[in-house]
Amino acid sequence: GENVEQHPSTLSVQEGDSAVIKCTYSDSASNYFPWYKQELGKGPQLIIDIRSNVGEKKDQRIAVTLNKTAKHFSLHITETQPEDSAVYFCAASKGAGGGADGLTFGKGTHLIIQP
Amino acid sequence: ETGVTQTPRHLVMGMTNKKSLKCEQHLGHNAMYWYKQSAKKPLELMFVYNFKEQTENNSVPSRFSPECPNSSHLFLHLHTLQPEDSALYLCASSQAPMGDGYTFGSGTRLTVV
Repeated sequence: GENVEQHPSTLSVQEGDSAVIKCTYSDSASNYFPWYKQELGKGPQLIIDIRSNVGEKKDQRIAVTLNKTAKHFSLHITETQPEDSAVYFCAASKGAGGGADGLTFGKGTHLIIQP
Repeated sequence: ETGVTQTPRHLVMGMTNKKSLKCEQHLGHNAMYWYKQSAKKPLELMFVYNFKEQTENNSVPSRFSPECPNSSHLFLHLHTLQPEDSALYLCASSQAPMGDGYTFGSGTRLTVV
């Protein structure tokens, strides 16, 4: 089955700096890669996703890049703010994120924004 | 609220008890999922339901029993659990087959004593 590795497990950056979280996946058939943000006491919330026919996607301060050849994808957050502090999860799926397949998640990255 | 509601938010149960977790989605989705989230481990997919039919069971012990009476409701029936089953149980829904809008509830924090 699919295996998703996520690094780093903890990331501390100064407010205003950029943060980058990286994930690799094992199944070349995976075609959907979402990123989730989980705050304390809440379920994961989708912040951005990318499909395998696209190499990069951006939404304001958040961007995701995908390298299908190397089977890795990354989350980039620019101009970080205190409210960006949370646990971030990457995930991969073969079924475009639903249908007969659930998502396979990485272990998460605890992002800490230092004031 | 995300459109996926889970109850109860917290549950403490003994190893001989029987309890049920409930999930309801208000998004018009047709696929629903149960995930287990334990400390320092990835979210683990437990069960998948497509159009009320169970399509995936990731080797989950029989002490966990899912039920999906319709595309808006999902239950997880629990009996004779072990302390290691203590975790956050998350429900999610999406629109199959493309999976758009994969949305999680806030979860049920389960403690088995």
